[in-house]
Amino acid sequence: GNSVTQMEGPVTLSEEAFLTINCTYTATGYPSLFWYVQYPGEGLQLLLKATKADDKGSNKGFEATYRKETTSFHLEKGSVQVSDSAVYFCALRLVQGAQKLVFGQGTRLTINP
Amino acid sequence: EAGVTQFPSHSVIEKGQTVTLRCDPISGHDNLYWYRRVMGKEIKFLLHFVKESKQDESGMPNNRFLAERTGGTYSTLKVQPAELEDSGVYFCASSQAGGNTIYFGEGSWLTVV
Repeated sequence: GNSVTQMEGPVTLSEEAFLTINCTYTATGYPSLFWYVQYPGEGLQLLLKATKADDKGSNKGFEATYRKETTSFHLEKGSVQVSDSAVYFCALRLVQGAQKLVFGQGTRLTINP
Repeated sequence: EAGVTQFPSHSVIEKGQTVTLRCDPISGHDNLYWYRRVMGKEIKFLLHFVKESKQDESGMPNNRFLAERTGGTYSTLKVQPAELEDSGVYFCASSQAGGNTIYFGEGSWLTVV
């Protein structure tokens, strides 16, 4: 089946630290990959995406590269800010067949000043 | 352009009562999805409409849940009768026909007491 596994949280970092949130996937087809973010009290927002192998998605200083050989889509940011505190969800969506998103369990990130 | 809007944003009801959640997708989006996140777990797919037709309802947990999309515009999700385990955040999302990106609303936070 199709599934997404994320790094266990919660993750707590100091401001300006380097961030990595690991994400690996299993898919029966050829997926597009996404990171969504949910800030406190808000809904889900698309952070970045990649639709094919070796693509790099980027937004707001975050980056993730679609690695087909390792079935991974790790989220990185070089210098985090307090405002990055949120829950981050990795997700996949098959190009063919079922159109639904399959999410990982979410990783809660807290950045301390 | 307005995003996906959901109503109510928060609802507190007693066990056994009925609640109806409404979603207005982005104008022109044929695809409409319902997801939910219960008790801090992963976000799970409930169902997918294409226009007014149910394309995939494999995620609906039981027959206490009824989703409709009359006329292919807005959608409602009714929970009747509500149980304690139904508490969580219900997200609606939409996408264009053939579109790769799914856009989410801010969610309807349901608490059953």
